[in-house]
Amino acid sequence: QSALTQPASVSGSPGQSITISCTGTSSDVGGYNYVSWYQQHPGKAPKLIIYDVSDRPSGVSNRFSGSKSGNTASLTISGLQAEDEADYYCSSYISSGVFGGGTKLAVL
Amino acid sequence: EVQLVQSGAEVKKPGESLKISCKGSGYSFTNYWIGWVRQMPGKGLEWMGIIYPDDSDTRYSPSFQGQVTISADKSISTAYLQWSSLKASDTAMYYCACGSNSGRFDYWGQGTLVAVSS
Repeated sequence: QSALTQPASVSGSPGQSITISCTGTSSDVGGYNYVSWYQQHPGKAPKLIIYDVSDRPSGVSNRFSGSKSGNTASLTISGLQAEDEADYYCSSYISSGVFGGGTKLAVL
Repeated sequence: EVQLVQSGAEVKKPGESLKISCKGSGYSFTNYWIGWVRQMPGKGLEWMGIIYPDDSDTRYSPSFQGQVTISADKSISTAYLQWSSLKASDTAMYYCACGSNSGRFDYWGQGTLVAVSS
């Protein structure tokens, strides 16, 4: 299974919205609605922020939203805040799992 | 409160064996998948494999199949990741995480740093 494709970096200003894409194939992202997104701050363990394409775990801000079209899933963060600066990873699971390469978000 | 507590950092030599652990508490250990994720220094997350502690159903990423062994002892709510012969390229942070059968990882351990050097 090849890693899912994410942009290496994205940036935005406080208050703006950004979208991170995650491209796979019909054998992973496009095959089922088992796409998750994780946020990782430096030196910390990852944190689940979106699961099953668009669901948010309890306690995760509604500024985070997910969607999918075909073989590409997307994470949108609205109302950017300084604390959103982190690495973001998508993941897909169908009998085995795979992560995207990760996207570094800079809040300028 | 769900907690996954991992064993401490390890420094090993190439060719040595190693088994690291992840103890779950605050939830029904047998009814959630536990997975292992590798993060090499300065790199991204890599999905290694998962185990369902109730029946030890185990699934590996093709990249890690045959390279590591994942196991669990449900009597003590602990999952393991094991190497029979470490390589320098196994140097990484290893996270355990638990979640549902949709492959998501809801809760994560604090990570175990493994350093392999001669």
